[in-house]
Amino acid sequence: NAGVTQTPKFQVLKTGQSMTLQCAQDMNHEYMSWYRQDPGMGLRLIHYSVGAGITDQGEVPNGYNVSRSTTEDFPLRLLSAAPSQTSVYFCASLDGSSYEQYFGPGTRLTVT
Amino acid sequence: GENVEQHPSTLSVQEGDSAVIKCTYSDSASNYFPWYKQELGKGPQLIIDIRSNVGEKKDQRIAVTLNKTAKHFSLHITETQPEDSAVYFCAASRTGFQKLVFGTGTRLLVSP
Repeated sequence: NAGVTQTPKFQVLKTGQSMTLQCAQDMNHEYMSWYRQDPGMGLRLIHYSVGAGITDQGEVPNGYNVSRSTTEDFPLRLLSAAPSQTSVYFCASLDGSSYEQYFGPGTRLTVT
Repeated sequence: GENVEQHPSTLSVQEGDSAVIKCTYSDSASNYFPWYKQELGKGPQLIIDIRSNVGEKKDQRIAVTLNKTAKHFSLHITETQPEDSAVYFCAASRTGFQKLVFGTGTRLLVSP
């Protein structure tokens, strides 16, 4: 049972490049989320999903796309990276009975 | 929407002392209040949570109290140990939603 896994751990992009942050969980959780963490601002919700095929926007969705084709995977896509997207990104899955969120180890993204 | 404020931003204590971190929230409909511990380079990990039908919850050296009238909740750590040093986040949400709103975090340093 690996829990929530994220790849890559580190990434450097140039402004305008695109990339996909991968997230997978093996706990069969329906709910998954993406957060970004910036200094002094805590964690802010980007997008979330309540099951395969269903996604919705969180607090800071602009510049990010998501899709959920399987229960296990919830990738986050940056279509055209901007320096303002420099952050640490965390994926989480939620146990629907206990409401405990399990976070992945994070991806540190730098956009130059 | 919900807004969560957390204080203090940093807290230094001596080993064996108690530590208290306080949070206030704005949405009276919020009824799930978790606390997360984040160690350097890792994702947040749930340490304790409380629901609105309970005023206090304890788990060994950790306790959380909730005052729904005043819309604030607090984390209490007794007999602190150096391994308690980390960043602690409070959060709030409505039960059934995974849209957690986080506080800005408290960096706790426990000196031997």
